[in-house]
Amino acid sequence: QVRLQESGPGLVKASQTLSLTCTVSGGGFTSGESYYNWVRRPAGKGLEWIGRIYSGGSTLYHPSVESRATMSIDTSKNQFSLRLTSVTAADTAVYFCARVRLPEDYFDYWGPGILVTVSS
Amino acid sequence: SYDLTQPPSVSVSPGHTATITCSGDALGERYVSWLQQKPGQSPVTVIYHDSKRPSGIPERFSGSSSGNTATLTISGTQTLDEADYFCQAWDISTGVFGGGTKLTVL
Repeated sequence: QVRLQESGPGLVKASQTLSLTCTVSGGGFTSGESYYNWVRRPAGKGLEWIGRIYSGGSTLYHPSVESRATMSIDTSKNQFSLRLTSVTAADTAVYFCARVRLPEDYFDYWGPGILVTVSS
Repeated sequence: SYDLTQPPSVSVSPGHTATITCSGDALGERYVSWLQQKPGQSPVTVIYHDSKRPSGIPERFSGSSSGNTATLTISGTQTLDEADYFCQAWDISTGVFGGGTKLTVL
């Protein structure tokens, strides 16, 4: 059974950098049959796709965060990460890591989510 | 940017059919997924590729898509189906979610 688990600070000061890591267990991390995403949900709002990364390291970001977001992957640890710089209160949200299954291209596994609050 | 539009809320009585729509330019030319999210939980895909159900999803969930509109239908709605529902598509490989629909079962 594939499992994803987010980790990182739950509180980040405004203008600083948010850093989160997702650890994937259960196999298939580098099989090429999936890719990995970050999605967030601010309180009272909907889901927002942040970006994705393949096991080979190629990335794609949503235009709204592209200038501030960096995703990386460590295949030796079965982990991928998100860094979001210059955070503001608008970045306060529950952050999820999620896997997209190929070739069907749908989200098949999610982490439980982690609340990140940006404080002033 | 590509936008997907959903009604903010839908209400249905238990045992009846709930219909949630999602609209976007030429949406029928893209594959649409539907995700269910209950409070405090992670999202779950209930429909992918417009109308396919992942393993473990009840048959009462079905989907369709044509033209500019995709539709999620829940037949014989149960109280446990009360949740937020999001449509999702890919726009030039960028993920797009609809604004979400709160389904109330009462």
